[in-house]
This record gives sequence, structure tokens and C-alpha cells, in this order.
Amino acid sequence: KQEVTQIPAALSVPEGENLVLNCSFTDSAIYNLQWFRQDPGKGLTSLLLIQSSQREQTSGRLNASLDKSSGRSTLYIAASQPGDSATYLCAVNTGFQKLVFGTGTRLLVSP
Amino acid sequence: DTEVTQTPKHLVMGMTNKKSLKCEQHMGHRAMYWYKQKAKKPPELMFVYSYEKLSINESVPSRFSPECPNSSLLNLHLHALQPEDSALYLCASSQVGSGTDTQYFGPGTRLTVL
Repeated sequence: KQEVTQIPAALSVPEGENLVLNCSFTDSAIYNLQWFRQDPGKGLTSLLLIQSSQREQTSGRLNASLDKSSGRSTLYIAASQPGDSATYLCAVNTGFQKLVFGTGTRLLVSP
Repeated sequence: DTEVTQTPKHLVMGMTNKKSLKCEQHMGHRAMYWYKQKAKKPPELMFVYSYEKLSINESVPSRFSPECPNSSLLNLHLHALQPEDSALYLCASSQVGSGTDTQYFGPGTRLTVL
């Protein structure tokens, strides 16, 4: 059974810092991996999707990497801003359209 | 337009009530999903519809009954729920098997069962 873990569970940083969120999964047989953000009480916003054959994806200040063989992905956020405060979730697609979500990282960026 | 809409935003119901949640997308996606999310937990998959047919049911109790009347609409019918069913119910949609099947989520329905 696929298990997805995110470290740290919570992170607090001052504005302007670069930061890295980690995601690990137990079964490397994945179709793709997706990073989402979720604001309190809201739905999920898709940030980046990395196909299993890819190593990296970038969107603006966000960069996600994937090392499928070691079961790891990272989300790098450059020059963090207070508006980046949210919960960040990674999710692996195990095939057949099934997403298994990680435990999430709650990020707080202070002005 | 990458919008998935859900109604209602909030729902309070008693254990004997029957209610329905509605989800709609106009992105031409042929896969639609229901997820349940408890407070401070990640979303958990409940159902998947592909081409308007139920393809995955994650052993969800029968008091939850999904319906996909057409390619743009997804309903979740609720009956005889328990207080522990209180949660945020999220709908999502995606392409089917395109290799870039990003799932797009709606804002959710906050359900409270009294």
C-alpha cells in the first residue's frame, strides 16, 4: 500500500527566505506526482505536476523535483512571501486515476 | 477556464435527512472524483467516475450514493449520515489517460451532521 509522508509537518519562516518542502513515498511505481496548496477551509489549488519520466518542473518561484527511484520529491519556494502561507500537499498518482495524498506541510511566512 | 464549482458551500443536516451535493465542470474532463477531508488530514478518495461510469468505489458506506448524470455534473446523495461524516467534501475533475491528468479541485462543501 502506497504511503506518502511530508516533512516537516509545519514550518515558519520570515519573508524572503528560500525554503524546501519534502515529500516521500514508499512505492516507486507511480504515474506522476502533483503538488497542491490549500488555504484554510478551502479547496486545493494545483501548483505543479511532474510525470514519472521527468526530474523537474518549474512555475514562477516554485520548482519541484522528483527522484522516483528513491521515492522522494521536493518543492522549492524562492523568496517566500506572506501570501505563500498555506498547507502544501503532495499527491502521487498510483494509476487508475487514484491520488494518494501526503500528510501536508503547514507553512507560515511572516512579514 | 479551470474552474470546478460545488454547491452548497455549507450544509447542516440531521441524521435522518436526505440531501445532495452538486459538482460541475465545463473543461471537457471525462473523469470526476469525490474526496472526503477531515480537519487537519489529507483528502481521501471516495469515488471516481470515468466517462460517466463509476470506476472506483473506495469501500464507501452505502449512505453515500454518487451519481454522474452527464459529463459535466457529479452529485453525491446523502442519507442517514452519522456525526463522524462531518467533513469537507471535495470534487475534482481531470482528463482521462492523457498522461497529463492534473486534477482540478472545487472549493468544497463543508458538511456538518448533527
